Amino acid sequence: KAGVTQTPRYLIKTRGQQVTLSCSPISGHRSVSWYQQTPGQGLQFLFEYFSETQRNKGNFPGRFSGRQFSNSRSEMNVSTLELGDSALYLCASSLQGEGYTFGSGTRLTVV
Amino acid sequence: AQSVSQHNHHVILSEAASLELGCNYSYGGTVNLFWYVQYPGQHLQLLLKYFSGDPLVKGIKGFEAEFIKSKFSFNLRKPSVQWSDTAEYFCAVWNYGGSQGNLIFGKGTKLSVKP
Repeated sequence: KAGVTQTPRYLIKTRGQQVTLSCSPISGHRSVSWYQQTPGQGLQFLFEYFSETQRNKGNFPGRFSGRQFSNSRSEMNVSTLELGDSALYLCASSLQGEGYTFGSGTRLTVV
Repeated sequence: AQSVSQHNHHVILSEAASLELGCNYSYGGTVNLFWYVQYPGQHLQLLLKYFSGDPLVKGIKGFEAEFIKSKFSFNLRKPSVQWSDTAEYFCAVWNYGGSQGNLIFGKGTKLSVKP
């Protein structure tokens, strides 16, 4: 079966802009979680969606938001980009919320 | 909330050496524990997981981990590493906080295997 697909793979944005990242989970998986990976902070949990509802949220500012559609695809949005938002953004899907399968990530560079 | 610490930031070994990567979590009680691996330029892959039962868990590619409840530890081991094991290894614990849990990761350990 197809894995978790994240698009785009790479993105360069300017400070102050906004960005939308997309994640298509494994077919049948209803839970989608997002993580930010940086060399200094490691993997940090952003939020999790299940059946179009945000079930859990990490400690990130309100500039980071997300949503999930009825087909379980999820999008993550970051508004008013800052240099510190440069990171690899990972999406993971699972049936109920455990046993994550990760996508390859979107590498965001803010200049 | 749970936290995870990995003791080594970077480990350098020669091929055929034995590997042990340390991982400690902060909170007792029921725990679900995981080890993930990230090969250069690739996505995170699950190596093994522990939910309950036999504390010695075998995973893919010859890796195993031992859950020691009294030490809050879940160390990863491999008897003989190969150059292809060069990667970053992440220990993770399921955090049951909030309305729904989430996976909390350690900072990772980079393993470099010299041929």
